[in-house]
Amino acid sequence: GNSVTQMEGPVTLSEEAFLTINCTYTATGYPSLFWYVQYPGEGLQLLLKATKADDKGSNKGFEATYRKETTSFHLEKGSVQVSDSAVYFCALKGNFNKFYFGSGTKLNVKP
Amino acid sequence: DGGITQSPKYLFRKEGQNVTLSCEQNLNHDAMYWYRQDPGQGLRLIYYSQIVNDFQKGDIAEGYSVSREKKESFPLTVTSAQKNPTAFYLCASSAEAVGQETQYFGPGTRLLVL
Repeated sequence: GNSVTQMEGPVTLSEEAFLTINCTYTATGYPSLFWYVQYPGEGLQLLLKATKADDKGSNKGFEATYRKETTSFHLEKGSVQVSDSAVYFCALKGNFNKFYFGSGTKLNVKP
Repeated sequence: DGGITQSPKYLFRKEGQNVTLSCEQNLNHDAMYWYRQDPGQGLRLIYYSQIVNDFQKGDIAEGYSVSREKKESFPLTVTSAQKNPTAFYLCASSAEAVGQETQYFGPGTRLLVL
């Protein structure tokens, strides 16, 4: 079946530190992969996506590469800001338009 | 502006009462979804619909009901059978076309029990 596993949080970093949030998946075939961000009290917003192997999604300084061989889609950012503090969700789209989400990783960035 | 609207932002339910959460989208998406999010937790799928007049149960459908009479609307009813309804409810929609698979979310409705 389909599933997404992402690293437990919270992750606490100082401003300008390097960020990695690990995400691995189990799926049949080659699903599209996504990272979403959720700010307190709000819905999820798409951060980036990749639709095939070796694709790199990027947005607002965040990047993630679709690695078929390791079934991974790790989120990275070279220099985090306080405004990046949020919860990040990794997700995949399976068959029949059904989406599968990881449990979320909370990021706290300290000034 | 295209998007998903949910109303109300906050909803209060009394014991034994059914309440309905509204979700409307003007993105012309075929698929719509309802998720429940508990504090500090991830998303759990309640119901989803791939097309008008059709819907499927998700992982936690008990105590909830939905309808999909129009493409743009997918209301969720929280029935009195749902004994622990306090949560944040998120509606989403997506297209099926290749390259447009992104799921878009509404701002959410927070349901509280009086």
